Amino acid sequence: NAGVTQTPKFRVLKTGQSMTLLCAQDMNHEYMYWYRQDPGMGLRLIHYSVGEGTTAKGEVPDGYNVSRLKKQNFLLGLESAAPSQTSVYFCASSLIDRAYGYTFGSGTRLTVV
Amino acid sequence: KNEVEQSPQNLTAQEGEFITINCSYSVGISALHWLQQHPGGGIVSLFMLSSGKKKHGRLIATINIQEKHSSLHITASHPRDSAVYICAVQNTGNQFYFGTGTSLTVIP
Repeated sequence: NAGVTQTPKFRVLKTGQSMTLLCAQDMNHEYMYWYRQDPGMGLRLIHYSVGEGTTAKGEVPDGYNVSRLKKQNFLLGLESAAPSQTSVYFCASSLIDRAYGYTFGSGTRLTVV
Repeated sequence: KNEVEQSPQNLTAQEGEFITINCSYSVGISALHWLQQHPGGGIVSLFMLSSGKKKHGRLIATINIQEKHSSLHITASHPRDSAVYICAVQNTGNQFYFGTGTSLTVIP
């Protein structure tokens, strides 16, 4: 099915470990986003990309890196995980045209111990 | 003060009731989004609005740009509508501001 696919869905990391979250979309969307969601805080934008080869910082970029080497993939990396990065991470994508809404992935639940 | 305020924070309704969730914002926007999050975490984009009104099935979203206010209405509510509804605004610089959500429970 067309849409946004996030992998993995769940992960437990030890403090200091690294990992990469993968977001893949097959809708030819230009824009892609990574959010984190913490209880009582709503969604916060980590990084986003407005096209292949471009990335930009969102509200809470510290401790994360991203890459958009291919239009359909947006990778979120944690170089040295910290307990404060325990959260649920959502990827989203959209077309440039504002008439179209976003498509969200189903989320990745990350726990850093 | 948050850029996006939603009310109510929690809402319980009987099946069949008409429901309204409100969103006020304080920044200039290019678009406003209503999102739905079901237990289990999946977030669905319901509407993206820049003016006027949109309708999908039993869901209606309106926006008043002058008043910086949007409402999400659910007609003939059903238990499967139970979810967290999130209002988010996007400015022309692609910055996003999110409300903390409204937790809706519809009782059979």
